[in-house]
Amino acid sequence: SQKIEQNSEALNIQEGKTATLTCNYTNYSPAYLQWYRQDPGRGPVFLLLIRENEKEKRKERLKVTFDTTLKQSLFHITASQPADSATYLCALEGNTPLVFGKGTRLSVIA
Amino acid sequence: DAGVIQSPRHEVTEMGQEVTLRCKPISGHNSLFWYRQTMMRGLELLIYFNNNVPIDDSGMPEDRFSAKMPNASFSTLKIQPSEPRDSAVYFCASSLKGTSGGYEQYFGPGTRLTVT
Repeated sequence: SQKIEQNSEALNIQEGKTATLTCNYTNYSPAYLQWYRQDPGRGPVFLLLIRENEKEKRKERLKVTFDTTLKQSLFHITASQPADSATYLCALEGNTPLVFGKGTRLSVIA
Repeated sequence: DAGVIQSPRHEVTEMGQEVTLRCKPISGHNSLFWYRQTMMRGLELLIYFNNNVPIDDSGMPEDRFSAKMPNASFSTLKIQPSEPRDSAVYFCASSLKGTSGGYEQYFGPGTRLTVT
């Protein structure tokens, strides 16, 4: 069956360090992969989209990689700040609309 | 633009009652999605519309759930009768979908439904 796994439910890191979140999938052939941020009590907010033929995409302090051989995406936040604390969701799109992982809750400690 | 608007923001109802959730998508967007989010199951797609037409409702849990989109600026999700296991946060999202994929979705603030 199709499955999306985000590496852990929660991740704690020190301010200034690079946070790395993982999204693994099985039995999917996504053409696109997206990352969203969700704050408590709010809806998800789009961050980045990467296509299957792209290896890497950057936006300010954010970087996403997409390895279709490993069936994995990595999401990096460099120079992390307490304001980056949130839940981050990966989402896959292929022949079906977006399917979301359960998310990783990131806490950046000052 | 005001973004995606959902109402009510919170709904508490008793088992067996009818619940109607409302959504106004972003003007100009042609696709609308209804999701349900719980701790156990995460964010699940219930149904989506393209140009006001339901395209995929395979995520609707059972016949107690129904959704309509009578025009491009309004959609409803109805649960009748409601049950305690329907308690969740329900999100509406909209997007401007082209002929190919890769379109970002804009989410509303959600409706937190509690069925007692």
